[in-house]
Parts: sequence; structure tokens; C-alpha cells
Amino acid sequence: EAAVTQSPRSKVAVTGGKVTLSCHQTNNHDYMYWYRQDTGHGLRLIHYSYVADSTEKGDIPDGYKASRPSQENFSLILELASLSQTAVYFCASSDARYSDYTFGSGTRLLVI
Amino acid sequence: GQQVQQSPASLVLQEGENAELQCNFSTSLNSMQWFYQRPGGSLVSLFYNPSGTKHSGRLTSTTVIKERRSSLHISSSQTTDSGTYLCALTLYGSSGNKLIFGIGTLLSVKP
Repeated sequence: EAAVTQSPRSKVAVTGGKVTLSCHQTNNHDYMYWYRQDTGHGLRLIHYSYVADSTEKGDIPDGYKASRPSQENFSLILELASLSQTAVYFCASSDARYSDYTFGSGTRLLVI
Repeated sequence: GQQVQQSPASLVLQEGENAELQCNFSTSLNSMQWFYQRPGGSLVSLFYNPSGTKHSGRLTSTTVIKERRSSLHISSSQTTDSGTYLCALTLYGSSGNKLIFGIGTLLSVKP
């Protein structure tokens, strides 16, 4: 079954540390996205990619980097984690028509 | 200002009642989608509805482009309908496309 798998499911990180969130999709979709969800803000786009080896900045890219080494994999990197980055992070993939979106189960990140 | 606004913010129903959720957008419509988010869980796509009316079981989505709004109607609600309903606008750009989400409507259906 086609899916989007995120790892880890949850993580506790120390302020200033490096965090890598991973996403793998089996949908054969070209587009992949990273969103964060915070109470009162809904989901906001951090980075996205429409082809391997290329990433684009979303609406809130500061403090985050992204990497798309293959069509199936998309990572979100927090080089220096900060308290404000505590949130739930969702990865998603979509087809070229943007009508078929599949979301992962989310990663709960707590920065202390 | 926020490009996608949803109302109401929250809604409590008795099982069997109907619900009407609204989504208004301030920019020209490219396409509209509705998602359901389980409590503490992931998002599930309900409708891709750039215009007109679509049905799926007890759910109906209606998008009126000229009025910049989309609605989601839930008939004969069930306790399993509880969760958050999110609408999202697709913005098309030269560097690809992205979804802009509303904050959501939190629905609670009581037995």
C-alpha cells in the first residue's frame, strides 16, 4: 500500500543540538513537503521539493534545511534546535496534479 | 492577513445532527481541498474540489469560486466523525505548488 512514513515518531532534543527528521514515500509522487503544526497556527509549509536533488523554501524556512536525495526520501534538518521549534512535523507527498495528497503520521518534536 | 479562514473554530453536536463547516479564502482560487485529522493523528484527504459539488457518503463539499468559499456538510453525524477538519488552498507558483491551510474546525460529536 502506498504510503508516507516518517521517522522518528517522536523525539526529545536539546537546545542547540542537531535534529534530522526523515520521510519516505512509496507513492511514486514527484512532490514532497514538510509542514509544522502548532496550536493556533494550523499547518505551515517549511520546505518542499518537486524533483530529487532540489528543494524550495516554503513560508517558514528559517532555522530549517531540507534534503531530497531521491524521489522517495525527503529529510528536514534542524542544525541548531531551538525551543520555538517544538511542534508536530508532517511530511506529505503529492502527484503532479496536486489532487492526491498523502500525509505521514507526524513527528512530535520537543526541544528542551 | 490569513489567506484561508475557517468557521466555526469548534462545534459540538449530538450524534445524528448535521454540520456545516465553512472555508473562505482571500486570494484567487486555484483549487480547494478538505482534510480530516484524527485526534493526535495524521491527515486524511476528504475532497479535492476546485469547483462545484462533490459527494462521498455522508459528506458533501461545495466550492463556489466567485464567492471565494467552500463548505463541507456532514449529515447524520457519528461519534467517529469527531476530529479536526481542515481546508487548504493550493497556490500555483513558478517554483511548484503548495497548500495553504486554514486553522481548522474542531468537531466533537457526543453519543
